[in-house]
Amino acid sequence: DMKVTQMPRYLIKRMGENVLLECGQDMSHETMYWYRQDPGLGLQLIYISYDVDSNSEGDIPKGYRVSRKKREHFSLILDSAKTNQTSVYFCASRRRGAETLYFGSGTRLTVL
Amino acid sequence: GEQVEQLPSSLIVQEGASVLINCSYTDSASVYFPWYKQEPGKRLQFIIDIRSNMERKQNQRLTLLFDKKTKHLSLHITATQPGDSAIYFCSASTNTDKVVFGTGTRLQVSP
Repeated sequence: DMKVTQMPRYLIKRMGENVLLECGQDMSHETMYWYRQDPGLGLQLIYISYDVDSNSEGDIPKGYRVSRKKREHFSLILDSAKTNQTSVYFCASRRRGAETLYFGSGTRLTVL
Repeated sequence: GEQVEQLPSSLIVQEGASVLINCSYTDSASVYFPWYKQEPGKRLQFIIDIRSNMERKQNQRLTLLFDKKTKHLSLHITATQPGDSAIYFCSASTNTDKVVFGTGTRLQVSP
């Protein structure tokens, strides 16, 4: 069963705390993505990873960094979270050469 | 960079009605346009796509039209059902891996 799994589903943090969002996929997809979803703004691309240790900034990378040490896992890190990073974060993956993205269920992050 | 715009932002219709969702993009290098559906509280799921060398694609009650000259797409959903209630996203990608999404159209179908 092809699956993209995100943990945790819900997270509440205080401003200035560090945040780690994790994403895993069991399809050996080379390419993985982090997006955030905000009302009226759709999905905005934060980072793309083309494979292990091969990451590229998306459209809104400021305040975020990523880590991909294994093909199956792609982490999004917020060092010193800010209140404007309150959002729903989606991870997605895609096999190189294919076209469809497979999405996780999202992580709803609230930064107080 | 690529920008994708969708209109309307929301739609409320009665069951059985047809709806039209419009999408426009800016980058003429975009060649592939998948659409995704997000039901309340759920993940995005692929529903239909079209490539820039096509003008029309149909999948059951979904018809996707593409106009390369005007950089415009439209998704037509016929005979809507309450299960069609969701947010619909247009997206665009070039031959790279970057996928840019529109702002979404929230469709509500009343029984």
